[in-house]
Amino acid sequence: KNEVEQSPQNLTAQEGEFITINCSYSVGISALHWLQQHPGGGIVSLFMLSSGKKKHGRLIATINIQEKHSSLHITASHPRDSAVYICAVDGGSQGNLIFGKGTKLSVKP
Amino acid sequence: ETGVTQTPRHLVMGMTNKKSLKCEQHLGHNAMYWYKQSAKKPLELMFVYNFKEQTENNSVPSRFSPECPNSSHLFLHLHTLQPEDSALYLCASSQGRVRNIQYFGAGTRLSVL
Repeated sequence: KNEVEQSPQNLTAQEGEFITINCSYSVGISALHWLQQHPGGGIVSLFMLSSGKKKHGRLIATINIQEKHSSLHITASHPRDSAVYICAVDGGSQGNLIFGKGTKLSVKP
Repeated sequence: ETGVTQTPRHLVMGMTNKKSLKCEQHLGHNAMYWYKQSAKKPLELMFVYNFKEQTENNSVPSRFSPECPNSSHLFLHLHTLQPEDSALYLCASSQGRVRNIQYFGAGTRLSVL
């Protein structure tokens, strides 16, 4: 069992839909990261959070430390949101990230 | 544009070739990383350099040899690779090690024939 599990693995949505991607982890962490990877390969950091909730534009990330669970929400989804979304946890004293396998999102017009 | 540049973007090599991947960051960061991304698998950390010193070698085969001449540049030297080494190799940098955002390059897509 991976230390970081994401669900779903694949997600197809219609433009405008509200999207939720989930991440569960099994280790103690100091921070959790949400990353976005476009088909070209480059990865962009969306959020780093250790408690509560953060919002940036149409993206919202929440974390529940007690339940070891985080969610990434996208409101009013758009085809340009199509990408792979990766959850990663910063779990050790050395700061190495442990990554989930990613959720592939496809938003249809 | 993340401030981390990787070259080349694509590389095809035979098993007997020697090649190098290059990573350069213009962010003033102290830590640099090499990751391997294979299909259907999570990103795997390969090497970490902090202030030019290697602080992590995640059981990587010796056919991969990293080099960090200064805090802005990182190389991955490749020799006698295997077809299973075909993957996307990503470089990243961060200001510090713990609770810091990592900035990624676009990656080098490597195919070993």
